[in-house]
Amino acid sequence: QLVLTQSPSASASLGASVKLTCTLSSGHSSYAIAWHQQQPEKGPRYLMKINSDGSHTKGDGIPDRFSGSSSGAERYLTISSLQSEDEADYYCQTWGTGIQVFGGGTKLTVL
Amino acid sequence: EVQLVESGGGLVQPGGSLRLSCAASRFTVSTNYMSWVRQAPGKGLEWVSIIYTSGSTFYADSVKGRFSISRDSSTNTLYLQMNSLRAEDTAVYYCAKAKGGGSYHFDHWGLGTLVTVSS
Repeated sequence: QLVLTQSPSASASLGASVKLTCTLSSGHSSYAIAWHQQQPEKGPRYLMKINSDGSHTKGDGIPDRFSGSSSGAERYLTISSLQSEDEADYYCQTWGTGIQVFGGGTKLTVL
Repeated sequence: EVQLVESGGGLVQPGGSLRLSCAASRFTVSTNYMSWVRQAPGKGLEWVSIIYTSGSTFYADSVKGRFSISRDSSTNTLYLQMNSLRAEDTAVYYCAKAKGGGSYHFDHWGLGTLVTVSS
């Protein structure tokens, strides 16, 4: 079964960096995923797609502070030089034939 | 710039029906995979349904047999017909466009429309 696992919460200080993790279920380590950001009281916003080899493609207007990488079944979103507006929920997404799957989301707090 | 605008949400009684619309701009709905995603109050994102360019449709188990996704090429609009609504269908419903080209992550989202199922 295709499942994505995320830690429920993360925190980091203003100006620091943080690395969020999304883990693919067993047998699905070759899958690409996408990251989406949802700021409080707003709709989701596409950030980037990350392939199994770590290559990634960003959405329009996504700052260079956001980057992606991959290792085995894990896909990462790294945010550097954290700003207050980065405080948000972050969801990973993957897909198969006739199905779309979201992780449970990580709530990022900027201290 | 791609734009997606949902409408049709509101308050409906359990067992009732509602049809959501998603008006698309600056791209063609019928040549892209299009989807509905919902978010219950205080919860995460939950995929609901998708329609492929071929017209094939797929649904989450939680809505199968009750919801129906469709599109209208003449108005460039995506729809979600929701029947036999339950309290647990209460959520903000978003439409989303998939990237395409062999990669079906969502690259554009609407702002959402709220559906409340309550007596």
